[in-house]
Amino acid sequence: DAKTTQPTSMDCAEGRAANLPCNHSTISGNEYVYWYRQIHSQGPQYIIHGLKNNETNEMASLIITEDRKSSTLILPHATLRDTAVYYCIVRVATGAGSYQLTFGKGTKLSVIP
Amino acid sequence: DGGITQSPKYLFRKEGQNVTLSCEQNLNHDAMYWYRQDPGQGLRLIYYSQIVNDFQKGDIAEGYSVSREKKESFPLTVTSAQKNPTAFYLCASSSGGRETQYFGPGTRLLVL
Repeated sequence: DAKTTQPTSMDCAEGRAANLPCNHSTISGNEYVYWYRQIHSQGPQYIIHGLKNNETNEMASLIITEDRKSSTLILPHATLRDTAVYYCIVRVATGAGSYQLTFGKGTKLSVIP
Repeated sequence: DGGITQSPKYLFRKEGQNVTLSCEQNLNHDAMYWYRQDPGQGLRLIYYSQIVNDFQKGDIAEGYSVSREKKESFPLTVTSAQKNPTAFYLCASSSGGRETQYFGPGTRLLVL
């Protein structure tokens, strides 16, 4: 089962920041939070990941609370091409040095002109 | 142009027929994965392989088989034992089991 909870859908005005929340209250100390997005009928695209510090790359910022029970993905200036389903995933160890990504239903972000 | 390729984009299967989905990567990644996605749902792990000639079952391996004879290739066979094969199939790879997974464009399988 997915270890995360996300809103089913969100809207954001074009040019504004999109803030996508995620709850992961049962996360363990060494489990990473990953964010992917999926545009309709395409493969998921990696966005960003983090353990406990805030992270930023060319696509987005990831803010993780101090207790690590929740996080927020921030798209600083949303465009119409950011319309997609966004998945927040807690990466779980499966043993033997391998890890599993368990995808939930994600948040459908609609960027409005 | 480096990346993950999946073919075909669309595949049709007749009842009782086995079909094989192709996944190739030129990223020199050691680990490869197969996921299944049903409409409106997240992805579920079918099989994964951390190294050539070795693979492990994921959450929904029944009715599927894989091989990993080459580092760059990880084909998935959907057998006749898979009673509900209609889905979107996604292949991914990572440089190691701990590293970020990158996905291919997917193959949509439809049963006639």
